[in-house]
Amino acid sequence: GEQVEQLPSILRVQEGSSASINCTYENSASNYFPWYKQEPGENPKLIIDIRSNMERKQTQGLIVLLDKKAKRFSLHITDTQPGDSAMYFCAASGGGYKVVFGSGTRLLVSP
Amino acid sequence: GGIITQTPKFLIGQEGQKLTLKCQQNFNHDTMYWYRQDSGKGLRLIYYSITENDLQKGDLSEGYDASREKKSSFSLTVTSAQKNEMAVFLCASSIRANTGQLYFGEGSKLTVL
Repeated sequence: GEQVEQLPSILRVQEGSSASINCTYENSASNYFPWYKQEPGENPKLIIDIRSNMERKQTQGLIVLLDKKAKRFSLHITDTQPGDSAMYFCAASGGGYKVVFGSGTRLLVSP
Repeated sequence: GGIITQTPKFLIGQEGQKLTLKCQQNFNHDTMYWYRQDSGKGLRLIYYSITENDLQKGDLSEGYDASREKKSSFSLTVTSAQKNEMAVFLCASSIRANTGQLYFGEGSKLTVL
């Protein structure tokens, strides 16, 4: 299978707290896991990614974790700000040249 | 840096009409994709092209045709627009088929009356 499941679909947090989004994938040949942020009316943009030879990657308040055994990966946003409010998509690729996206998480950060 | 240009940005059609969306990229990327995004929802893959002259069906190919005219351009045709259909079609490209890092165009918004 090629499905990527993403949860939650909506996530509401207070400014300054952390937010976590979880994804699972089916294709064990997947080896690249990007995360995209889409602001209203704009196109999705890559914010962080992780390859299958890593378990953790961190950049500018974003942490991604990959558990290949469980076929699970996650995005953690630390110290959320109102500007982090957007749609976030996980994706998996490498298993057959397709890039398969999760269904998205709408993150709402309230002041 | 490069850019992906989608035309038209807005497309209004009639039920049953054949409609074509165009995408051009100047990244010199090998692989190009067409995704459909329904309001507030995820991206579903319609067609992709690994290299020039290649065409692969995605999960949502029924009702669509695609054509990779040359390395820099990839077109998508809605073969018969459905009444009240409304979606955004996103074109994307990547340097190679299995890198996963996609660069997206601004989208083409389709409304069918």
